[in-house]
Amino acid sequence: AQSVTQPDIHITVSEGASLELRCNYSYGATPYLFWYVQSPGQGLQLLLKYFSGDTLVQGIKGFEAEFKRSQSSFNLRKPSVHWSDAAEYFCAVGRLEYGNKLVFGAGTILRVKS
Amino acid sequence: GAVVSQHPSRVICKSGTSVKIECRSLDFQATTMFWYRQFPKQSLMLMATSNEGSKATYEQGVEKDKFLINHASLTLSTLTVTSAHPEDSSFYICSARGGTSGNEQFFGPGTRLTVL
Repeated sequence: AQSVTQPDIHITVSEGASLELRCNYSYGATPYLFWYVQSPGQGLQLLLKYFSGDTLVQGIKGFEAEFKRSQSSFNLRKPSVHWSDAAEYFCAVGRLEYGNKLVFGAGTILRVKS
Repeated sequence: GAVVSQHPSRVICKSGTSVKIECRSLDFQATTMFWYRQFPKQSLMLMATSNEGSKATYEQGVEKDKFLINHASLTLSTLTVTSAHPEDSSFYICSARGGTSGNEQFFGPGTRLTVL
């Protein structure tokens, strides 16, 4: 069965510092990969996605993620964090043959200190 | 484009009553809708997948008689929590896929259910 691991439950970074959120997945082939952000009490907003092609994916709000097949990873990065980036971030994996059902990681809560 | 709404955003009900949550795709036809449940400080867990005009497919461990899902049109799916109990209190989120969205799901803002 596919699974998604986000090893960091909480991360605190200073405003203006760089950010990397880790995501590892378990699956025999290349899945569809997603990063979502959720503010408290809100739904999910898609930051970026990877289906195929260029392994470095650019998303909204200055985020990017890199798919590394050899490491089964899809880490999210941002060169300079803003206070408004404080939220919870979820990595998700989907598989076409399973009707594109998504499996979510446990999430990483990002705190930004000024 | 690709907006999904949910109604209500928040509902409080008494134990034993039923609650209906609506999920609408506002600007595209959703051939598939998904219902998720999110417990406090936890991730989203898929409850069921519904395709327009057919019965929903429930994930293992989800009681289909308790969580009734109807996807009667290409823009509306409903989740009815029957005979709700306090342990059903949770954040319920729907998502929709269809039209030109391909493999991407668009998420609603969620519904906070509190059962007293």
